[in-house]
Amino acid sequence: EVQLVESGGGLVKPGGSLRLSCAASGFSFSNAWMSWVRQAPGKGLEWIGRIKSKTDGGTTHYAAPVKGRFTISRDDSKNTLHLEMNSLNTEDTAVYYCTTEHDYYFDYWGQGTLVTVSS
Amino acid sequence: DIQLTQSPSFLSASVGDRVTITCRASQDIYIYLAWYQQKPGKAPKLLIYAASTLQSGVPSRFSGSGAGTEFTLTISSLQPEDFATYYCQQLNSDLTFGPGTKVDIK
Repeated sequence: EVQLVESGGGLVKPGGSLRLSCAASGFSFSNAWMSWVRQAPGKGLEWIGRIKSKTDGGTTHYAAPVKGRFTISRDDSKNTLHLEMNSLNTEDTAVYYCTTEHDYYFDYWGQGTLVTVSS
Repeated sequence: DIQLTQSPSFLSASVGDRVTITCRASQDIYIYLAWYQQKPGKAPKLLIYAASTLQSGVPSRFSGSGAGTEFTLTISSLQPEDFATYYCQQLNSDLTFGPGTKVDIK
């Protein structure tokens, strides 16, 4: 069974940083493209970025609102995905979901972790 | 950037009703469209990809159609567990979602 479990969310002040993690199991993590999708309270879904498998180059791609501030990385030895978030602002307040990405759609999702940016 | 719109934004229906949700893209996205269902407090669930391919395990009362710029998600006979918000997502360039359609109980 595919499982994705996010952690690391919490309350952070504007301008601060936070690192989210996603522990994966039940599939070949090293061969998977992985993405992060977020959802602000009461709002819709927003894709924020992906990391390809190392066999596909391991490259990252970010959406415009987070480019230069967020970094996605992976540790295939630990089946873990990370999202490093810097220069956070109130508009980054959201539930952050870790997802597997297959042919550019999202087939498995974690339960999400809430990030609140507030002074 | 490719923009997606959904109609209606809100839909009130009864168990057993046939429900259709439309998603329109601002430019041709061929069949590169997926549909998701999200219930309150839960992660989204993939229902359909490539416009009309049913994800494994999804009931056959869900179906998708369309190509180019206009797509539809149809629920042939609404069940109590189908009351949720539905999102379309385009796969053709920077991945974007539609604004959602909430299906509520009449």
